[in-house]
Amino acid sequence: SQELEQSPQSLIVQEGKNLTINCTSSKTLYGLYWYKQKYGEGLIFLMMLQKGGEEKSHEKITAKLDEKKQQSSLHITASQPSHAGIYLCGAILPSGGGADGLTFGKGTHLIIQP
Amino acid sequence: NAGVTQTPKFQVLKTGQSMTLQCAQDMNHEYMSWYRQDPGMGLRLIHYSVGAGITDQGEVPNGYNVSRSTTEDFPLRLLSAAPSQTSVYFCASSYRGRREKLFFGSGTQLSVL
Repeated sequence: SQELEQSPQSLIVQEGKNLTINCTSSKTLYGLYWYKQKYGEGLIFLMMLQKGGEEKSHEKITAKLDEKKQQSSLHITASQPSHAGIYLCGAILPSGGGADGLTFGKGTHLIIQP
Repeated sequence: NAGVTQTPKFQVLKTGQSMTLQCAQDMNHEYMSWYRQDPGMGLRLIHYSVGAGITDQGEVPNGYNVSRSTTEDFPLRLLSAAPSQTSVYFCASSYRGRREKLFFGSGTQLSVL
């Protein structure tokens, strides 16, 4: 089973609406990254959360880390066309299958409808 | 600000051919890594390095070799390409490891026929 589950897999949202993407781990989270990927391009760093309860914001994007639930959420307020893309969460999990790298979710494809 | 530079951007190989994907960073990062991205699988770690002369295997290392002779460069070698290696490859680096911000290159799209 997937160690890091992202939901939803895809999301179509009308411009101006709010949305939330979730990332849930089956293991203890030692930290979590959020990246955005535009189609055919590399990953752009959005935020890194390291402590339970931590919340960070960048422009209209807010991310929170709930250590007890082993979950992080990414919230976009008043979505814009520039928010469209693939959102990936990458977790720092106990070393093992993930070696010394990040374990990534499969991504959430976000489409913003005008 | 070059950051992490990957070459080539696209490559088509025939089964059995070998090639090297190049990755260079100009941020004096100790940690470098290679991931592959496949549809429905997310990104998976192939190999990583915590400094010049030190490399280690990630989740999916079979069929790939790496070396780290300098801090700046971390090439990924495909010894005998197979169709299962068709993927998008990303190089990423950070100052010391996964607990610090990872900077990604723009990726290499590889097709093995």
